[in-house]
Amino acid sequence: EPEVTQTPSHQVTQMGQEVILRCVPISNHLYFYWYRQILGQKVEFLVSFYNNEISEKSEIFDDQFSVERPDGSNFTLKIRSTKLEDSAMYFCASSELGGALNEQFFGPGTRLTVL
Amino acid sequence: AQSVTQLDSQVPVFEEAPVELRCNYSSSVSVYLFWYVQYPNQGLQLLLKYLSGSTLVESINGFEAEFNKSQTSFHLRKPSVHISDTAEYFCAVSDGDTGRRALTFGSGTRLQVQP
Repeated sequence: EPEVTQTPSHQVTQMGQEVILRCVPISNHLYFYWYRQILGQKVEFLVSFYNNEISEKSEIFDDQFSVERPDGSNFTLKIRSTKLEDSAMYFCASSELGGALNEQFFGPGTRLTVL
Repeated sequence: AQSVTQLDSQVPVFEEAPVELRCNYSSSVSVYLFWYVQYPNQGLQLLLKYLSGSTLVESINGFEAEFNKSQTSFHLRKPSVHISDTAEYFCAVSDGDTGRRALTFGSGTRLQVQP
């Protein structure tokens, strides 16, 4: 059964460093998403991406964040200068089509720890 | 703006007992409703969803949820739980009017099934 994969499973970085979180969405899916969950808090939407551009983003997704689909398989989230409060579990998701009618399939997450 | 409230952070229950996980939402527009389940070290998996039509929706593994518009609730129930149902359960909503794809999640309920 096809699944969304994410690497690494755990990333530790120093405050101020850049990190890139990687995701491989399901191959025939066209919409891609990033969510995050700070420990003890809710899963929060960050951004959705379609046709090589951002289609929606939340207030959390500020200039420190960027997303990219560098090739035909990977979808990345970059944090330019990490802060302590960026420590969270980051989930990638993909869906075949857009709209709420299409199920979003989630990856297992990357736990980012900023020291 | 939408929000989701899951009233119970943890629900311990004995095997074969019934369980109800509560979810209430607020929204100024119509919504689609979802329950996701997360098993340890795995991503979020869609359990069931309400888009339209019958207010009672069922999953393949015996869970059901009922959309109650007047009470703005979408509680998840199972008449007899198994050890394997131990997981974290997330209620989520998305905008039913504009078709925005972002999911708004509750804080999750950890179901702990004891023998």
